[in-house]
Amino acid sequence: KAGVTQTPRYLIKTRGQQVTLSCSPISGHRSVSWYQQTPGQGLQFLFEYFSETQRNKGNFPGRFSGRQFSNSRSEMNVSTLELGDSALYLCASSLDSGPYNEQFFGPGTRLTVL
Amino acid sequence: LAKTTQPISMDSYEGQEVNITCSHNNIATNDYITWYQQFPSQGPRFIIQGYKTKVTNEVASLFIPADRKSSTLSLPRVSLSDTAVYYCLVLMNTGFQKLVFGTGTRLLVSP
Repeated sequence: KAGVTQTPRYLIKTRGQQVTLSCSPISGHRSVSWYQQTPGQGLQFLFEYFSETQRNKGNFPGRFSGRQFSNSRSEMNVSTLELGDSALYLCASSLDSGPYNEQFFGPGTRLTVL
Repeated sequence: LAKTTQPISMDSYEGQEVNITCSHNNIATNDYITWYQQFPSQGPRFIIQGYKTKVTNEVASLFIPADRKSSTLSLPRVSLSDTAVYYCLVLMNTGFQKLVFGTGTRLLVSP
């Protein structure tokens, strides 16, 4: 079974731009969660989608948004990029919703904001 | 403010047992504690999950005391390939419940 895939793997943007990241979950998985990882703040939960609905949301500003499609693929969008948005963005999929379901992580998208 | 803290780093030698503790002072009553392993340039990988007392699988054990304010990941006989960063993940009851990763423990295993 193919693992979680994320595209692109690397991205460079400038302040004020917007960016869209994509995540394809493991086949059959209906939940997709997004995380931001930085050296200073560590791993932080962004949001979770299940059956095209946002189930949980972390403490991030409204510039961070996401969506999930009927095939469970998910996209994350960040608008009006700031320097502090530079991070590794990780996507994880699981069969069902909830933190007690084993999550399978993708390799991440490394975003650099200049 | 809810916090989930771990030691920053630990050193060990091949064949030794390693215990990594995560402190979580405000965990939700009925939720699980999960541990992940992360290698450089990779996403975290699930190791083990538990709710109370002790859980064991083929790679690790997880010990959770009755008050559930902490948990300890035990790696029985580490090898060089266990060098990685280890994170606990809990659901924190902070007014609005949210998933919180621990601060991460960098384990270095030497020959």
